Amino acid sequence: EAGVTQSPTHLIKTRGQQATLRCSPISGHTSVYWYQQALGLGLQFLLWYDEGEERNRGNFPPRFSGRQFPNYSSELNVNALELEDSALYLCASRAGVETQYFGPGTRLLVL
Amino acid sequence: AQSVTQLDSHVSVSEGTPVLLRCNYSSSYSPSLFWYVQHPNKGLQLLLKYTSAATLVKGINGFEAEFKKSETSFHLTKPSAHMSDAAEYFCVVSESTGRRALTFGSGTRLQVQP
Repeated sequence: EAGVTQSPTHLIKTRGQQATLRCSPISGHTSVYWYQQALGLGLQFLLWYDEGEERNRGNFPPRFSGRQFPNYSSELNVNALELEDSALYLCASRAGVETQYFGPGTRLLVL
Repeated sequence: AQSVTQLDSHVSVSEGTPVLLRCNYSSSYSPSLFWYVQHPNKGLQLLLKYTSAATLVKGINGFEAEFKKSETSFHLTKPSAHMSDAAEYFCVVSESTGRRALTFGSGTRLQVQP
């Protein structure tokens, strides 16, 4: 069974640009979570999508947004990039009330 | 509100010696607790999880953890460290209802000396 996949693995942008990160969940998983792992800040919950809807978001500004497609894959968009957005972005998927399984992450560098 | 405290930011052991990574939690409800491991430049891999069944939980690669409600602890142990165990370990608590977002500890970096 294929795990959670994320693309791209690395992304380099300049301040003010937009970044788009993608995630494909494990087959059969309808919930997708996004987390940010920034240096010195640890792992923080960003967004939760389930059945195509945004269900909840963490303490992040509105320029962090995304969507979930009918096939349950998800996209995270970060607008007006700032230097402090440089981080590893991790996607996780979950079926029902079960465990979250993580992808390998996308490392975003903002210059 | 829930929180997790990992008591050691770094732990160094010799290969073949026991590993102990300490974690205390705070949760209003019966928590679901997890240990994840992150190897350099990799995503997170689930080691084990506690979901109110047996208090001693066995995971992959010889790791286990014991849930102690009276001490609000969920320490991770392994009898004999291997070089491949060198990684960052995260103790995690999950909300039992609602969004079920994970709250992560700050992580413990395990070094294994030859």
